[in-house]
Amino acid sequence: DVKVTQSSRYLVKRTGEKVFLECVQDMDHENMFWYRQDPGLGLRLIYFSYDVKMKEKGDIPEGYSVSREKKERFSLILESASTNQTSMYLCASRERQYSYEQYFGPGTRLTVT
Amino acid sequence: AQSVTQLDSQVPVFEEAPVELRCNYSSSVSVYLFWYVQYPNQGLQLLLKYLSGSTLVKGINGFEAEFNKSQTSFHLRKPSVHISDTAEYFCAVSDGNAGNMLTFGGGTRLMVKP
Repeated sequence: DVKVTQSSRYLVKRTGEKVFLECVQDMDHENMFWYRQDPGLGLRLIYFSYDVKMKEKGDIPEGYSVSREKKERFSLILESASTNQTSMYLCASRERQYSYEQYFGPGTRLTVT
Repeated sequence: AQSVTQLDSQVPVFEEAPVELRCNYSSSVSVYLFWYVQYPNQGLQLLLKYLSGSTLVKGINGFEAEFNKSQTSFHLRKPSVHISDTAEYFCAVSDGNAGNMLTFGGGTRLMVKP
């Protein structure tokens, strides 16, 4: 069965802290994605990765970076957390570039105070 | 760039009533269309997709959607909803180019009342 897991369901951090959000998939998928979900705005793409050590900016990359050292793991990094980064963060994976279905993790609700 | 509009942010409906969740997208030469569902405290799950062929697409849990190219719409329907259908529903579109990325609508919260 398809499985995407995220390291935390809920996270509370202080302004200025460095924050790591981890995502792991067990399907040997090539592509992985980080989205941010906000009410009324749907999901917006932050970064994605076609393969190991590859990364591409999405629509809202400012204030974020990513790391993909292993195929199964894709990390989202907030270098210096700010209150406007309080949101739900969703990770997804996809078999390869011309596949259509993305598989989502349960999400991490991050609050920055 | 693609854009997706979900016209209703919330749809309240009584149990066993029919429901339609509306989705419109900006036109493109060819598009691939998706509906995802997000149950409370969970990630997104694919309900159904249109890639080509018949414009009426059937998905899981009794949902179906109709692709209307002239109206650039992909509305989601269910003839009789259950309490368990209470969730947020997202319409998404991909144009198959530029990495086959998904563009999501803002979401519609379906609230089924007993």
